[in-house]
Amino acid sequence: NAGVMQNPRHLVRRRGQEARLRCSPMKGHSHVYWYRQLPEEGLKFMVYLQKENIIDESGMPKERFSAEFPKEGPSILRIQQVVRGDSAAYFCASSPPPTGSAKNIQYFGAGTRLSVL
Amino acid sequence: AQSVTQPDIHITVSEGASLELRCNYSYGATPYLFWYVQSPGQGLQLLLKYFSGDTLVQGIKGFEAEFKRSQSSFNLRKPSVHWSDAAEYFCAVGNQGGKLIFGQGTELSVKP
Repeated sequence: NAGVMQNPRHLVRRRGQEARLRCSPMKGHSHVYWYRQLPEEGLKFMVYLQKENIIDESGMPKERFSAEFPKEGPSILRIQQVVRGDSAAYFCASSPPPTGSAKNIQYFGAGTRLSVL
Repeated sequence: AQSVTQPDIHITVSEGASLELRCNYSYGATPYLFWYVQSPGQGLQLLLKYFSGDTLVQGIKGFEAEFKRSQSSFNLRKPSVHWSDAAEYFCAVGNQGGKLIFGQGTELSVKP
């Protein structure tokens, strides 16, 4: 049973380019979360999605960032016109629906390290 | 405001010594509490969780944590540290569904 898969593991972009980060949740998980980890900091929540729905985007920057989780395929975190300050590790987590004993147990991928030159 | 504080940025212990990593939280509702471990360049692995019931919870790799509501704490402990425990440890708080709020992390170094 594969875990949460993120790709690419490392991504290098020049300022002004677009970055697309992909996340395939664990089998049977319909909830996806994106977090950003800046150097020397903990993880900061960005967005929470279910299939075809954004549930909570309170942590997303107002501009240039967007996320989707389509009916088919992986979740995508998209960063347009990247700037140096976007350099960070971006982690995806998935969970089953938070009901009963499953509750909110989030399982994390290995992350995508984005470097902006 | 909801927050998690891990007061110790970096801790060094000798192999075989006991370990306690501190975590304090501020959360309006009944918290769900988690400890995750992150090895360099890797993702986060869940060590243990607390939802309700017994306030002393056991996790993987010999770790345990105790929830103390009166102190708003959820400290992680291990009686005897192994060199392979060197990593970064994150405490997090959440609820039934939705985002986790993480502390800044504690980096653990293990001396031979």
